Amino acid sequence: QSALTQPASVSGSPGQSITISCTGTHSDVGTYDLVSWYQHFPDKAPKLLIYAVTERPSGVSHRFTGSKSAITASLTISGLQVEDEADYFCCSYASGGSLVFGGGTTLTVL
Amino acid sequence: QVQLVQSGAEVKKPGASVKVSCKTSGYTFTNDYIHWVRQAPGQGREWLGIINPDSGITRYGQKFQGRVTMTRDTSTTTVYMELTSLRSEDTAVYYCAREPITSVRVYYYDTWGQGTLVTVSS
Repeated sequence: QSALTQPASVSGSPGQSITISCTGTHSDVGTYDLVSWYQHFPDKAPKLLIYAVTERPSGVSHRFTGSKSAITASLTISGLQVEDEADYFCCSYASGGSLVFGGGTTLTVL
Repeated sequence: QVQLVQSGAEVKKPGASVKVSCKTSGYTFTNDYIHWVRQAPGQGREWLGIINPDSGITRYGQKFQGRVTMTRDTSTTTVYMELTSLRSEDTAVYYCAREPITSVRVYYYDTWGQGTLVTVSS
């Protein structure tokens, strides 16, 4: 069982928007604006999409946006594309100096 | 460009140890921290710990205290993670990942290694 809770899977049609949630506790997501999101294709290195809840690294599409409310962070992907099919996972700093992760969400673009 | 290249897959017997390497390039080795993260089959990711390549100072996840050791070789810009007393539950893909350091800690990873599969089986 992962420290942060994500839905196991989400799906959407090309052009639509989807949101992936990441629920933690007041010891991690709820207290620190240090949530990051990653895209992970099988047998590849994960790619950073969002850091510090809402910040997007240069080179990452504006279709990826992050937000947070209380103990739940969210990643929204707009204008879904077939090539967005991947595993997405969240990460947060946690009290005591460790990092915690979500279980990952498989995105299917129908 | 920044690259983290890990050593190849390993198969170990229960009770043995494994040492995974992470060769870095494309940046100043001592500027940024390296973390180790693992993902067991069908499971989420777990944080094993962090090493400061400049000082060699480490911090380990509570679950792995006493079994994990992270070291670095500044001459080859390589970081190592050794896990001892292996059991079947340690079967996982192990990743190294870089945390870029600015004036404050950022706690995210801008570059990951390709992963190393460690299989523990009798």
